[in-house]
Amino acid sequence: DTGVSQDPRHKITKRGQNVTFRCDPISEHNRLYWYRQTLGQGPEFLTYFQNEAQLEKSRLLSDRFSAERPKGSFSTLEIQRTEQGDSAMYLCASSLAGAGGYEQYFGPGTRLTVT
Amino acid sequence: GEDVEQSLFLSVREGDSSVINCTYTDSSSTYLYWYKQEPGAGLQLLTYIFSNMDMKQDQRLTVLLNKKDKHLSLRIADTQTGDSAIYFCAESIAGNNRKLIWGLGTSLAVNP
Repeated sequence: DTGVSQDPRHKITKRGQNVTFRCDPISEHNRLYWYRQTLGQGPEFLTYFQNEAQLEKSRLLSDRFSAERPKGSFSTLEIQRTEQGDSAMYLCASSLAGAGGYEQYFGPGTRLTVT
Repeated sequence: GEDVEQSLFLSVREGDSSVINCTYTDSSSTYLYWYKQEPGAGLQLLTYIFSNMDMKQDQRLTVLLNKKDKHLSLRIADTQTGDSAIYFCAESIAGNNRKLIWGLGTSLAVNP
């Protein structure tokens, strides 16, 4: 397994358009997290899945954002009616519940630019 | 409340040791992590420490935890130019889905 992958790596979109990002976690990992990172900041938690269940959503996640993990494997994050303030790096991480230090392994991120 | 603080910049000479410091506020934190982020790259997990430990060493990396003062440090021995990056401290809160609470990151510059 080559680690967590994310697609696309870069996305430029016009304000008002919808975008969808995909994350493929490490295959045996049952936990999946989405974070958002803006320039000069640390990542901010967005949402968390254990298997296919979405167990927590941050207050940062407005109703324009939706995330799914339909079969407990890959996940998608959709942003509807994008705004310029959505421009950020969207990071996905996965971990294995109960293993060691609950370490989260990150993908390379999807950089979103809203023009 | 949940808050993680780090100094923003550190500059060292190649071959010297680097010490990056972090403070956290949540006393229920059970795991604390150090991640490295190079320009344009993702977050690389360097090491982590469980809150009942005082120290953890992994090759050139030494993590020290002072639970009383809620202070965490990362020491990089024999710092190399390839260590130039942003280093993030993060805490994982017990019973809180293990989501990570992050500092702003410390930008380490290694000068030849």
